[in-house]
Amino acid sequence: NAGVTQTPKFQVLKTGQSMTLQCAQDMNHEYMSWYRQDPGMGLRLIHYSVGAGITDQGEVPNGYNVSRSTTEDFPLRLLSAAPSQTSVYFCASRLDRVQNTEAFFGQGTRLTVV
Amino acid sequence: SQQGEEDPQALSIQEGENATMNCSYKTSINNLQWYRQNSGRGLVHLILIRSNEREKHSGRLRVTLDTSKKSSSLLITASRAADTASYFCATDARGSQGNLIFGKGTKLSVKP
Repeated sequence: NAGVTQTPKFQVLKTGQSMTLQCAQDMNHEYMSWYRQDPGMGLRLIHYSVGAGITDQGEVPNGYNVSRSTTEDFPLRLLSAAPSQTSVYFCASRLDRVQNTEAFFGQGTRLTVV
Repeated sequence: SQQGEEDPQALSIQEGENATMNCSYKTSINNLQWYRQNSGRGLVHLILIRSNEREKHSGRLRVTLDTSKKSSSLLITASRAADTASYFCATDARGSQGNLIFGKGTKLSVKP
């Protein structure tokens, strides 16, 4: 069972570059989300999706885009990387948004923007 | 803004002692969840307590929930060095579309 798979694990970008962080889950979960984790800040929600074709903004969406064309995949795009986006990014999925269920997390992507 | 706030921010104890972490939140919830994060790794779910439950046990973990005070506590009994990690509470607020809102976490260090 793969669970939630994130790639890459590490990435260094130059300011202004764009990139896509990949997230895939094999549990047929409807709900998927992206968080960023910064020292002393806990996890903050960037974007989320309650099903294929549906996405919405979280607490800190600026500078990021998402799409959900399939149930399995939820990529996060950085449009023009800035040093403030240096962080650890986590993808998470839940069975759905209605039931009382746990979230499953990927192992994270550590991104440095120079 | 973050829903949950853990207390204390850091906790250092000896092996065999109990560790208690507290979480306060702001709005009505469907459930509250606790997660563990080992250094450099993803979060792992520990326990979920629903809004109509007051206490829940799982192995050496005991979670309480007081919705009137909007607070929860996580007790780890007979701690081990392997329990060293950061612990986060996450609230599943009513009407939140399934979004979990995390606190800043408690960093637990268990010394052998």
